[in-house]
Amino acid sequence: AQKITQTQPGMFVQEKEAVTLDCTYDTSDPSYGLFWYKQPSSGEMIFLIYQGSYDQQNATEGRYSLNFQKARKSANLVISASQLGDSAMYFCAMREPGGASYDKVIFGPGTSLSVIP
Amino acid sequence: GAGVSQSPSNKVTEKGKDVELRCDPISGHTALYWYRQSLGQGLEFLIYFQGNSAPDKSGLPSDRFSAERTGGSVSTLTIQRTQQEDSAVYLCASSDIPAGTDYGYTFGSGTRLTVV
Repeated sequence: AQKITQTQPGMFVQEKEAVTLDCTYDTSDPSYGLFWYKQPSSGEMIFLIYQGSYDQQNATEGRYSLNFQKARKSANLVISASQLGDSAMYFCAMREPGGASYDKVIFGPGTSLSVIP
Repeated sequence: GAGVSQSPSNKVTEKGKDVELRCDPISGHTALYWYRQSLGQGLEFLIYFQGNSAPDKSGLPSDRFSAERTGGSVSTLTIQRTQQEDSAVYLCASSDIPAGTDYGYTFGSGTRLTVV
């Protein structure tokens, strides 16, 4: 069974500093996709970034980048220049493989990030 | 609509009652998902609909839970004989697949269910 691990239940970072949120995953299928979502206290789930298992380069979206280490099955999220609005829960997720018609995504337990002024 | 709409936003029900939660996905999205998020926890997959295919019900926690999707659009999640452990936020999401999912799902705002 596929599994997502996020070993940091809570993290603190100083405003304007960079922070790395860890995520490891477990799958035996060579084809998969990895996501990061942000959930502020308002409860909405916000898609941040995606990395496909065959992508050659690490994904980047503005201040977010994904440090993808395939051999280690690691997909850490790096947030540069943290802002107060980055305080939220962050979930790593993986699309279970199974062909183009199967797209179930499983989520990790999440990491709570607090940005300190 | 512009986003995924869920109703009601909040529901308080007595233990043993049945509840229905509604999800209206983004128009044209063929895939629809239900997740459950208990307080302070991650998202637990419940059920997945894709077009006219048989739904993936592998995440439903018991036979008290069922869901349907009418006309490939609106979905209703029904919980029968609710229990206190059913209290959670129920999130619905939709996506346009099987094209590349590099934009992820679009989630609704959720229904907060409280069983008293």
